[in-house]
Amino acid sequence: DAGVTQSPTHLIKTRGQQVTLRCSPKSGHDTVSWYQQALGQGPQFIFQYYEEEERQRGNFPDRFSGHQFPNYSSELNVNALLLGDSALYLCASSLGTGELNTEAFFGQGTRLTVV
Amino acid sequence: AQSVTQLDSQVPVFEEAPVELRCNYSSSVSVYLFWYVQYPNQGLQLLLKYLSGSTLVESINGFEAEFNKSQTSFHLRKPSVHISDTAEYFCAVSDRDTDKLIFGTGTRLQVFP
Repeated sequence: DAGVTQSPTHLIKTRGQQVTLRCSPKSGHDTVSWYQQALGQGPQFIFQYYEEEERQRGNFPDRFSGHQFPNYSSELNVNALLLGDSALYLCASSLGTGELNTEAFFGQGTRLTVV
Repeated sequence: AQSVTQLDSQVPVFEEAPVELRCNYSSSVSVYLFWYVQYPNQGLQLLLKYLSGSTLVESINGFEAEFNKSQTSFHLRKPSVHISDTAEYFCAVSDRDTDKLIFGTGTRLQVFP
């Protein structure tokens, strides 16, 4: 079992550009959540996808968008990058939602640097 | 709104000494509680979790945490730490309806020989 895999591992982008990050969930998992972890901080919830729809969203602007595919993999897109978007982006997968979901497995993350 | 407070940003300790990493949460609903560990340049790994039942939960590598509802705490303890325990530890809470995780700011455990 490969666990949660994210690509790429590192990325450098210029301010104003757009970026797409990818996540493949752990085998058997159907729910994907994305988190942003700024340097020295705890992860912050961006949004969660289940059944190819955004199920819930954290306090992030519309520049952050996502998608979930029929095979449960997911993408995180960020438009009009700002320097403050530099962070480690973590993908977590789980089975089910709400009370059925009692454990999230995290990927290694994508380190995004905006210059 | 839920929140998590980790009272210590850094905890230095010598090898084989006991350690406690403190975590307090605020929530008006029943919650699940978690401790995650993050090694340098890595993602998060689940250390242990409290869902229901016994308030004392244990991990396979000697850590334990106790859910205290009256004090809204979920402190992490280990009676004897190893060099390899050096890492960042995050406490997190989720309510039972929305399974998004709310994290604390983390505690850096540094174990010295």
